[in-house]
Amino acid sequence: ELKVEQNPLFLSMQEGKNYTIYCNYSTTSDRLYWYRQDPGKSLESLFVLLSNGAVKQEGRLMASLDTKARLSTLHITAAVHDLSATYFCAVPDSSGTYKYIFGTGTRLKVLA
Amino acid sequence: EAQVTQNPRYLITVTGKKLTVTCSQNMNHEYMSWYRQDPGLGLRQIYYSMNVEVTDKGDVPEGYKVSRKEKRNFPLILESPSPNQTSLYFCASSVAGGRTQYFGPGTRLLVL
Repeated sequence: ELKVEQNPLFLSMQEGKNYTIYCNYSTTSDRLYWYRQDPGKSLESLFVLLSNGAVKQEGRLMASLDTKARLSTLHITAAVHDLSATYFCAVPDSSGTYKYIFGTGTRLKVLA
Repeated sequence: EAQVTQNPRYLITVTGKKLTVTCSQNMNHEYMSWYRQDPGLGLRQIYYSMNVEVTDKGDVPEGYKVSRKEKRNFPLILESPSPNQTSLYFCASSVAGGRTQYFGPGTRLLVL
């Protein structure tokens, strides 16, 4: 059974600091997705990582995928308050179906 | 405007009273899916559909039914709701399986 674990679950950080969110998954997969959810809102797509070594960047966020280590990271550079949200990673089930397993999410709070 | 819509957005019901939550997308997407979000558990997939008349179980299908008679619609049916189905429900769609998903605004359900 595929398991997807994120850590930390909660992260409170000062503006201007850097930090990394980790997403580990338990079976082989060559794709991983990152989503953002603002409080009380729906989810929006941040990144799609489609192969080993894939790196995507958007503003202060950079995501990478290491399929051999079964690990993805979401790095935050010089955090700003607007990045406060919950971040989810999601991995497709390895059985070849299009069933997705989401991590439990990382709630990020950036303090001014 | 490209979007996924859900109705109703909020619903309070009683145990055993059948209900349907509708989901519609106007992007001609083949793939549609339902998730529930519960505190501390992230998102869990209920059912998904690869195309019209093609549906499959997600991680937590018990107590739910779906149908996909038209490409744009993917209703979620709770034949006999129970309190443990109190949750926030999201519908999502994507061009095809394996592509990034676009989420609806969510339906908050309370079963008394």
